[in-house]
Amino acid sequence: SYELTQPPSVSVSPGQTARITCSGDALPKQYAYWYQQKPGQAPVLVIYKDIERPSGIPERFSGSSSGTTVTLTISGVQAEDEADYYCQSADSSGTYVFGTGSKVTVL
Amino acid sequence: QVQLVQSGAEVKRPGASVKVSCKVSGYTLTELSMHWVRQAPGKGLEWMGGFDPENGETIYAQKFQGRVTMTEDYSTDTAYMELSSLRSEDTAVYFCATVGREMATLTPHPWPFDYWGQGTLVTVSS
Repeated sequence: SYELTQPPSVSVSPGQTARITCSGDALPKQYAYWYQQKPGQAPVLVIYKDIERPSGIPERFSGSSSGTTVTLTISGVQAEDEADYYCQSADSSGTYVFGTGSKVTVL
Repeated sequence: QVQLVQSGAEVKRPGASVKVSCKVSGYTLTELSMHWVRQAPGKGLEWMGGFDPENGETIYAQKFQGRVTMTEDYSTDTAYMELSSLRSEDTAVYFCATVGREMATLTPHPWPFDYWGQGTLVTVSS
């Protein structure tokens, strides 16, 4: 299986923009997904198919993709966005992998 | 709307086995592709395995092959994950997770997980 690499932490002031990257060799061939996880809770899907936002997810969450890197952007960060964020993808055999995770801290 | 309700916390001795259940409501289990994900304390998410509808088989992460068994009881719409030969490193919260009908039409397989159980803490300690 392959690996998805994320920065361990991202710090941002309220109202600013947070960008979280996820790098992996298979990302040009497979879609990426993003999850938000708050302490003691199950993850919540915030982006699917690299750039799409599920219903109910605020518009300030967006995704982008370029080559072997996908990026989750949170525009106008709010205190409630403080959480751990994980990217996820899969290979052609259906084997899934999660990124290493990034903790977003709202200063 | 899918609801996944998992069994309660477990404490096991090293070398023992644990079986965690995940009860489905809102859908029937036959409509779903159930997966299992675990998270050790203070660590990241780790995919353990799940049902691949494209080949009709359950696939397991290489790390857990030979030690994990995922089964489904369609009469009760309950999925199970059994992990054997437990060691302290298996102490974690175990989640069942799946994709709903709508999300499965919006993106190709392999699908993301838009429904999750509440998690089951398994503690392995002597």
